[in-house]
Amino acid sequence: DSGVTQTPKHLITATGQRVTLRCSPRSGDLSVYWYQQSLDQGLQFLIQYYNGEERAKGNILERFSAQQFPDLHSELNLSSLELGDSALYFCASSTRTSGVETQYFGPGTRLLVL
Amino acid sequence: QKEVEQDPGPLSVPEGAIVSLNCTYSNSAFQYFMWYRQYSRKGPELLMYTYSSGNKEDGRFTAQVDKSSKYISLFIRDSQPSDSATYLCAMREMDSSYKLIFGSGTRLLVRP
Repeated sequence: DSGVTQTPKHLITATGQRVTLRCSPRSGDLSVYWYQQSLDQGLQFLIQYYNGEERAKGNILERFSAQQFPDLHSELNLSSLELGDSALYFCASSTRTSGVETQYFGPGTRLLVL
Repeated sequence: QKEVEQDPGPLSVPEGAIVSLNCTYSNSAFQYFMWYRQYSRKGPELLMYTYSSGNKEDGRFTAQVDKSSKYISLFIRDSQPSDSATYLCAMREMDSSYKLIFGSGTRLLVRP
C-alpha cells in the first residue's frame, strides 16, 4: 500500500458527461501528480500541483482540469467525455528519499466512457 | 519518435532465470532514472531509482544507466513467479517539476 488513496475505483459514464476523480496524497507529501494510462499511449503525465499551486502541465486536454485543495487532496475533472478518454487515471504524490524526489502511485481510477 | 522506447514483450522466462529489461531514450537532459513494477489492475510501484550514470543494486535487482548510450537496464536475478508483472522505466530532467516520462512497459512472465 503506497499510502495514496484514490476514489472511485471504477467509473462508468456516457459520452458528453462530466466526472470528478479524487486523490489523497501520502501524509506529509505536498506534491500531487495526475497520470493517464491507456493501451495505446502508455502512462502519460497530465499535471502536477505543489501545495495548492499548479507546477507543471503535460499533455492535458482543455476539457480536463485539476485543483489541489488546502488539505492537499486533489481532484481531476474530466468534462465533455469522449470514448477515447476511457483509461486508468493515476494519482501520485512525492517525497524526498535520500535526497531524491520519488513518486508513489495510488491504485488508480478505471474510467469507462460508453 | 517517443522520448523513451521500451520493448513491450511479453518476455517469458523459467523460474530462476536472469531477466534483462531495457529502455532507450533520446533526451540527453534526463538525469533521474527509475524502474516501476505494475501488477495487473494495480498502480505502479517504485522498485529502483538511480541518478546519472552507474549501477545500483537492491537485493535481486540491479539497475544500470549508461548515459553515453542513452540506455538503461534492470536485471532481475533468480526470477520468481511473483515477479510476473509489467515493468516500466521512467525518467526525468533535473528541473523543478519532477514530471516523469515513462516507457510503454515490458510484460514479464516467470514460469514455475
